[in-house]
Amino acid sequence: GQNIDQPTEMTATEGAIVQINCTYQTSGFNGLFWYQQHAGEAPTFLSYNVLDGLEEKGRFSSFLSRSKGYSYLLLKELQMKDSASYLCAVVDSNYQLIWGAGTKLIIKP
Amino acid sequence: NAGVTQTPKFRVLKTGQSMTLLCAQDMNHEYMYWYRQDPGMGLRLIHYSVGEGTTAKGEVPDGYNVSRLKKQNFLLGLESAAPSQTSVYFCAIAVDPEGGETQYFGPGTRLLVL
Repeated sequence: GQNIDQPTEMTATEGAIVQINCTYQTSGFNGLFWYQQHAGEAPTFLSYNVLDGLEEKGRFSSFLSRSKGYSYLLLKELQMKDSASYLCAVVDSNYQLIWGAGTKLIIKP
Repeated sequence: NAGVTQTPKFRVLKTGQSMTLLCAQDMNHEYMYWYRQDPGMGLRLIHYSVGEGTTAKGEVPDGYNVSRLKKQNFLLGLESAAPSQTSVYFCAIAVDPEGGETQYFGPGTRLLVL
């Protein structure tokens, strides 16, 4: 079966750094996405990785290791507005997105 | 929301009633998707379409039907609603689906089936 694992919830402090991990077992791999979803809203695109390594985009970075079936999203200089759920999704061999259940990130002052 | 709209935003149904959810895009994207999102679970694909006049089943198609008569619109139908279909429904379009497929979502429809 196909499986995406992420921690259910994480707590961090404003101004700090947090790393949200995602491990996956899927039939094929054609890329990995991270989305942000604020409560009551739709998911919005954050990043896409298809090759191993780190992709940096402002305060957010995403890392991929295909051999380990592992990715993480790194958020720096946390702000209160970063309180949201972060969804990991893998593109499988049929080019369908397989979604993790999401990690709820709580930012405390 | 990348020009993706959904109607209605919220609906309450009684068990056995039917309804249609509309997803509309204001661009020319071929790929459109219907997902449901339930607490503690990832987004689950219901049906999708790769172009006008074509539809395909996703992970959880039972109890739903879809149509894509016009390229801009993707309709999701519930013929006989059940409480298990209480969920948030998201429509999405895909940009460059075979190379870095990025899906952009509509605002969602919240459905409560009593």
